[in-house]
Order: sequence, then structure tokens, then C-alpha cells
Amino acid sequence: DTGVSQDPRHKITKRGQNVTFRCDPISEHNRLYWYRQTLGQGPEFLTYFQNEAQLEKSRLLSDRFSAERPKGSFSTLEIQRTEQGDSAMYLCASSSRNMNTEAFFGQGTRLTVV
Amino acid sequence: GESVGLHLPTLSVQEGDNSIINCAYSNSASDYFIWYKQESGKGPQFIIDIRSNMDKRQGQRVTVLLNKTVKHLSLQIAATQPGDSAVYFCAEKDNAGNMLTFGGGTRLMVKP
Repeated sequence: DTGVSQDPRHKITKRGQNVTFRCDPISEHNRLYWYRQTLGQGPEFLTYFQNEAQLEKSRLLSDRFSAERPKGSFSTLEIQRTEQGDSAMYLCASSSRNMNTEAFFGQGTRLTVV
Repeated sequence: GESVGLHLPTLSVQEGDNSIINCAYSNSASDYFIWYKQESGKGPQFIIDIRSNMDKRQGQRVTVLLNKTVKHLSLQIAATQPGDSAVYFCAEKDNAGNMLTFGGGTRLMVKP
């Protein structure tokens, strides 16, 4: 399967712990996006990369959230000092460099903070 | 701020009937729109897209209509099947092409 891959699929963590999620985009895609989705809502944009450059991060929910894409391939999203309100589905998507082309999503990482 | 929304949260149709899912958008500068299907526990799946220079685009069993005058988007599914049951989102891409803005979704339920 050459689609967008996310790991882990599910994560349960205690409040206050740090968590890190990984996303492997479609190999020829140089744009990578992170979204958060809560129950019953549409995905909410967090940040995106073009190659290794993080071009938009003002939508990250707080300074506890950070993302990296060091080699322009896979990306990680880290949440520090997790809170119960961070419980959500975290989605990764990738697209080609063309402005108006579809973004393909991974299956997401479901985070539960207890 | 600008947003994308949907008129109906739940749509129930009989198997074999046609389905129409509607979406209103407010950013008149958006020039690219996508419909996604999301099944429970899965990520959004691309269905069909349309650029603002088009009014209509057809795929396999699906048609997207764009009315820029009233800023309205619709997804038509022909001969709806049980496998079409899911939540459907419309999304718009800003004119810089940097991110998708999603609405709240419409749940489609197909009755056998």
C-alpha cells in the first residue's frame, strides 16, 4: 500500500505525558499536512510542510504542539504535557506541489488522554 | 472568519435512490473544492474535486455541482448503496492553495 501511513493508530496516555505521532506521506508528495479532528466535527488544520520547510504553524493549538519533517519525508507531531482536551483524531495528509490537487489522508492516530 | 458549512447533519435514503448532499461556503476567493467520505474510525477518503472555473464534474456514480453565485456546492450520488453510508465533508482550499477548510459533515444513512 503506497498511501499515507500513520503510526500508531491508537494511543492512550496519562495526562501530563508527552506523545509523538509519525506520518509517512505518499513518496512523491512534497506537501504534508497535519489536522486534528474531534467527534462530529470536520478536520481542523494545524500545520503544513513543503519538503522540510514548515510554512504554516500559526494554527497549532498551543506551544505544547510541535511538528517536524527533518528530511522532507516523514513527519512527527509531538504534544507535550498532554491534557484531556487533546483527545482527538490526529490526521496527516499529503499532496503534490501543484496548487490545486487533492490531498490524501492517512487513517489517523486516535489519542485518548486519561 | 470564513468557513465552510453543511446544511443538513443527517441524510437518510433508500438503497437505490439518488442522494444529494449540500454544502455552503463563505470564502468567495476559494478556487478549489473537494468532497471527502469518512467512514467510522478511518481517515477522510477523496471522492471528487472541482475547480472554480467549472460548474459541474462527474465521476463514477458521483457528480459535484458548483454554484459560485450563491456559493453552494453539492454532491450527488447515483443509485446509493449501503457502502455509501458514511460522513461526507466538503472542503475548500484557499487561493494560496495551502490548506483545506472543512465543514462539520453530513452523515448519510442508506436504508436497505
